[in-house]
Amino acid sequence: AQSVSQHNHHVILSEAASLELGCNYSYGGTVNLFWYVQYPGQHLQLLLKYFSGDPLVKGIKGFEAEFIKSKFSFNLRKPSVQWSDTAEYFCAVANAGKSTFGDGTTLTVKP
Amino acid sequence: DAGVTQSPTHLIKTRGQQVTLRCSPISGHKSVSWYQQVLGQGPQFIFQYYEKEERGRGNFPDRFSARQFPNYSSELNVNALLLGDSALYLCASRLQGAGEAFFGQGTRLTVV
Repeated sequence: AQSVSQHNHHVILSEAASLELGCNYSYGGTVNLFWYVQYPGQHLQLLLKYFSGDPLVKGIKGFEAEFIKSKFSFNLRKPSVQWSDTAEYFCAVANAGKSTFGDGTTLTVKP
Repeated sequence: DAGVTQSPTHLIKTRGQQVTLRCSPISGHKSVSWYQQVLGQGPQFIFQYYEKEERGRGNFPDRFSARQFPNYSSELNVNALLLGDSALYLCASRLQGAGEAFFGQGTRLTVV
């Protein structure tokens, strides 16, 4: 069975601080990896995805994530956060028709 | 272009009743997935349908069932409702079986 672990439940940062949200998954085979974001009052939307190729993937709004196969990790990063990045962030893995989400990390950015 | 639409947006049911939730995918998308999201947790995968066939099933009891219609819309049925079924039910559509999921706003089900 596949599982996803997000290490931080709630992160509070000041604007311009750097962000890294941890995500580890457990599955030995080939997986597709995703980060989704849910802004207050809005539905889930895709930030970025990794299927294959360059393990460093860039997404929308300046976010990026690095796939490290040996560590089963897919951490999300942003060099300088903005107040508008306040949201809940979900890491997810998909394989063979099944998707598994982490429990999410709530990011609060103080102006 | 319309996104994923779900109906109804809110629903209150009594324990033991049955409920049907509906989802219309983005035009051209052939895959629909259903998720249950309880407060404080991530979405839990229930089903994925692609081309009207079940392609994946999560760890949910047989009280949960779904189907996909020829127009690719989908219904999720839950029988014999329990208080613990109270949650936000999300539908997501994909162009194909894998790839980016586009989520609807969800149906908030409350079982009393």
